[in-house]
Amino acid sequence: DTEVTQTPKHLVMGMTNKKSLKCEQHMGHRAMYWYKQKAKKPPELMFVYSYEKLSINESVPSRFSPECPNSSLLNLHLHALQPEDSALYLCASSQDTINQPQHFGDGTRLSIL
Amino acid sequence: GENVEQHPSTLSVQEGDSAVIKCTYSDSASNYFPWYKQELGKRPQLIIDIRSNVGEKKDQRIAVTLNKTAKHFSLHITETQPEDSAVYFCAAMDTGGFKTIFGAGTRLFVKA
Repeated sequence: DTEVTQTPKHLVMGMTNKKSLKCEQHMGHRAMYWYKQKAKKPPELMFVYSYEKLSINESVPSRFSPECPNSSLLNLHLHALQPEDSALYLCASSQDTINQPQHFGDGTRLSIL
Repeated sequence: GENVEQHPSTLSVQEGDSAVIKCTYSDSASNYFPWYKQELGKRPQLIIDIRSNVGEKKDQRIAVTLNKTAKHFSLHITETQPEDSAVYFCAAMDTGGFKTIFGAGTRLFVKA
């Protein structure tokens, strides 16, 4: 069973579209993460939320906008993306942010036309 | 900041042999080192982790060793099976414990 659920599994969008990726966990974890993963590369950290507050933004372009409505949910709003943004977007959670293992979702495979 | 190097990038072994993947890190203050396995098209999954107050940890066929002086840590898989075929990522948490810095990954092939 996947304890971190991501929707949708696949998303194709044009460069002018607006869409959102969603992530949900019910493990009581207080830290949530967004990663971008290109083929044959490690996950690349984008954002970290700790206790529903944005703790880290790894200089991600503003066309990616994270949101944490509550401790169980994490969204990533997408607008005016570029073809190079095509990748697997992974959500993860951990008990808190300090030296804890992360539980990953299955990801959303995003293709920008 | 922390930097993690991982070797080899590709490893091919015969079923039943052992596999060893090695990583080095740069920040001597790092104290948590997880290993993730990612099968093709699937999510990364934690397989084992080690903290800096421990030199070795084992879980069935998997073991991790840590040498803090040399800033090395290694993954050892014994009696490899075809289902061990995957990409393995070592990682280190940065000093603040907020960021996971991943190695570049090792693609392990286990031949039946």
